[in-house]
Amino acid sequence: DTEVTQTPKHLVMGMTNKKSLKCEQHMGHRAMYWYKQKAKKPPELMFVYSYEKLSINESVPSRFSPECPNSSLLNLHLHALQPEDSALYLCASSQEERRGETQYFGPGTRLLVL
Amino acid sequence: AQSVSQHNHHVILSEAASLELGCNYSYGGTVNLFWYVQYPGQHLQLLLKYFSGDPLVKGIKGFEAEFIKSKFSFNLRKPSVQWSDTAEYFCAVRGATNKLIFGTGTLLAVQP
Repeated sequence: DTEVTQTPKHLVMGMTNKKSLKCEQHMGHRAMYWYKQKAKKPPELMFVYSYEKLSINESVPSRFSPECPNSSLLNLHLHALQPEDSALYLCASSQEERRGETQYFGPGTRLLVL
Repeated sequence: AQSVSQHNHHVILSEAASLELGCNYSYGGTVNLFWYVQYPGQHLQLLLKYFSGDPLVKGIKGFEAEFIKSKFSFNLRKPSVQWSDTAEYFCAVRGATNKLIFGTGTLLAVQP
């Protein structure tokens, strides 16, 4: 099983809403990632978790709050987002957070902030 | 800082034509290099990667890439493209920071 699943597939939210994105993998990977991909742009790294601990935060605004409740799950909590936060949010995982490790990507959650 | 540049933003080819997509990176140390593909409506998938050893790397679906250290390049090639190769192709590099940095992508359209 080389699958990373993400829910929901699509999400529309207002600027005052609180919502969460979920990501799950059952490959035994110990590193998990959140990326943001704007239209016609490459994915940009937001957060990295390694062994359930936050390893990298790419200076992401606090309205995005990641959480790794266990080694298979990764959440991204959203609050008070802005319209410019509308994008495709990708989750990925790899065996470890090491160079050379292949990252496996999920299908993404397409987020629209009104 | 690490960066990746893909010179071709859009490429249009006829079936059976040969493909070469350029990728250059800027980082002087040891790197790992990747090519990912995103088919329409699908998620990013790994085509191939270079970690060490033979600089000519073979991937899935007949793709290959050559790491040329002196040119800081990792170009993707396929001798004969098919309509099903229509997709967006991303080059990515991972250096000392362990962050995966993507290029801006190349949209390939293959005409039947």
